[in-house]
Amino acid sequence: DTGVSQDPRHKITKRGQNVTFRCDPISEHNRLYWYRQTLGQGPEFLTYFQNEAQLEKSRLLSDRFSAERPKGSFSTLEIQRTEQGDSAMYLCASSLTRPGSLGRAYEQYFGPGTRLTVT
Amino acid sequence: AQSVSQHNHHVILSEAASLELGCNYSYGGTVNLFWYVQYPGQHLQLLLKYFSGDPLVKGIKGFEAEFIKSKFSFNLRKPSVQWSDTAEYFCAVNLNDYKLSFGAGTTVTVRA
Repeated sequence: DTGVSQDPRHKITKRGQNVTFRCDPISEHNRLYWYRQTLGQGPEFLTYFQNEAQLEKSRLLSDRFSAERPKGSFSTLEIQRTEQGDSAMYLCASSLTRPGSLGRAYEQYFGPGTRLTVT
Repeated sequence: AQSVSQHNHHVILSEAASLELGCNYSYGGTVNLFWYVQYPGQHLQLLLKYFSGDPLVKGIKGFEAEFIKSKFSFNLRKPSVQWSDTAEYFCAVNLNDYKLSFGAGTTVTVRA
């Protein structure tokens, strides 16, 4: 059973540069989520996709952030003009969820994350 | 605003001691509740979950949690911890059908 994978695992960039992260969800999962985690905090929701449609974006997701899931499989998260405040762990999760479904459908499986350091 | 509170930031205990981690949420509707664990150097893993039914749920590795609706709580317990339980523990609430709201986490250090 292949879990959620993320690439790269670590990224160091200079302020002002653009970065892109990739997430590959569990293959049959239709939903894909992005979260951000800073030191001493729990993950915070950024956005999610149902298949290829981006259905919700948090206010945390400024206009410098963009996420895509073009074919409903892998997803990319791009940060333009990075700032030091963007330094965090970026987590991807996936689930098999049908609207109106109960319980088990809400289990989200997380990847190892991409740790971004902006210098 | 909805929130999830974890009462302890860092817990240190000896092997074989009992563990209880508090979690409260502020939301009046139907919720799905989770505890996730992150072992050192590893990714978040689901420890246990509550959706409905018996409010006492059992998870992996001897953990259990009790949902008390009247107290908006979902506390995690383990009767006897092991050194390998050293990890960070996160309580999470699913308030709608997509977003998980997490607490700030509790770091548990078990001394051999």
